[in-house]
Amino acid sequence: DAKTTQPPSMDCAEGRAANLPCNHSTISGNEYVYWYRQIHSQGPQYIIHGLKNNETNEMASLIITEDRKSSTLILPHATLRDTAVYYCTRINFNKFYFGSGTKLNVKP
Amino acid sequence: EAGVVQSPRYKIIEKKQPVAFWCNPISGHNTLYWYRQNLGQGPELLIRYENEEAVDDSQLPKDRFSAERLKGVDSTLKIQPAELGDSAVYLCASSSPEGLAIHTSTDTQYFGPGTRLTVL
Repeated sequence: DAKTTQPPSMDCAEGRAANLPCNHSTISGNEYVYWYRQIHSQGPQYIIHGLKNNETNEMASLIITEDRKSSTLILPHATLRDTAVYYCTRINFNKFYFGSGTKLNVKP
Repeated sequence: EAGVVQSPRYKIIEKKQPVAFWCNPISGHNTLYWYRQNLGQGPELLIRYENEEAVDDSQLPKDRFSAERLKGVDSTLKIQPAELGDSAVYLCASSSPEGLAIHTSTDTQYFGPGTRLTVL
């Protein structure tokens, strides 16, 4: 079972940090966790990925628990343009399994 | 660097008609994917190519769907005949995995804008 579990929606105030959780309790040792987001009418956009260690890039930070069963994507200062559906996925033999994602609503 | 290009962006057809989607991956990316995304759901893989070889087509409905990537670059996905339930967004993605392509666990895929198909 290569599924991930995410809340269907979240709200965040503009300028505040958005913390999006993901559960991937069945992840195996060599599977990376990937995060993508999809803005309306566009294709999914790559954000970040990680295996064990926390990762940071210009878009976001990824915090992975020590047991790797869950992770959190952090957008440090959310803007209205960050309103999108955020997908937490895992890759298994080159195959991504996308769930329904989390709809993040950034409000002014 | 140009991203993944798809055309057309939108297509409206009547049921039982054929339809084709085209994808041009990022230059140098050997792996190409076709996904289908139904409304309110995440993308689902239809087929994956390594160069010109289809290495995973287990989710492709072969009775009406076909795909090709003749020279290992551009790809075409075809539906013939289309059914009402085929209405969806068809996404193309490409990647250039490092290491062993089949068994790697890291494979950052870059998606095109998709083709929104409406079957009437």
